Amino acid sequence: AQKITQTQPGMFVQEKEAVTLDCTYDTSDPSYGLFWYKQPSSGEMIFLIYQGSYDQQNATEGRYSLNFQKARKSANLVISASQLGDSAMYFCAMREGNRDDKIIFGKGTRLHILP
Amino acid sequence: DAGVIQSPRHEVTEMGQEVTLRCKPISGHNSLFWYRQTMMRGLELLIYFNNNVPIDDSGMPEDRFSAKMPNASFSTLKIQPSEPRDSAVYFCASSFRGTGKGYTFGSGTRLTVV
Repeated sequence: AQKITQTQPGMFVQEKEAVTLDCTYDTSDPSYGLFWYKQPSSGEMIFLIYQGSYDQQNATEGRYSLNFQKARKSANLVISASQLGDSAMYFCAMREGNRDDKIIFGKGTRLHILP
Repeated sequence: DAGVIQSPRHEVTEMGQEVTLRCKPISGHNSLFWYRQTMMRGLELLIYFNNNVPIDDSGMPEDRFSAKMPNASFSTLKIQPSEPRDSAVYFCASSFRGTGKGYTFGSGTRLTVV
């Protein structure tokens, strides 16, 4: 069963608009971490934001925020005031528990920002 | 901080040849991960090490793949013999266990087996 589901294979958004990228996850472990990574066309993987399962507040990093809805097992990435440079592939990922460090990735969403 | 360093950046090899990919993690990081990325399968975790010890190799596709970490500053992923279906981008990533935060990825090695 897929543990990380990203239902939007591709999205087109007008520059300066806000963007929400969907991510749902599946785990029975009460302790877990959620991540978002950006992969531009150059190929590198760039860490954007992290949310721990016990964190009381939604994580924010500059224009990025994570809309964490624990009961719905949802961890959507919100990008405010999108820019052309935001065009990239975005991956949601999860680490289960605290015993080991491995994280598993969703299939990704390709975001296109239109001028 | 030089980041995670992978070499080579690109590798083209003939089917049947041995391929060795290399990774130098960030100094002080004690966990190292090898991922493979393809269009069909996305990002797959192949193996990861903690304090140079392999912890989980359940993602290694078959016996043709092997990985080592002889010391804290170096790891290799070897494919012998290589096959066309091994063509992919191979990423190495490192982290400091216990922080629970994101990994730092290398730039990847694009492998093409012809």
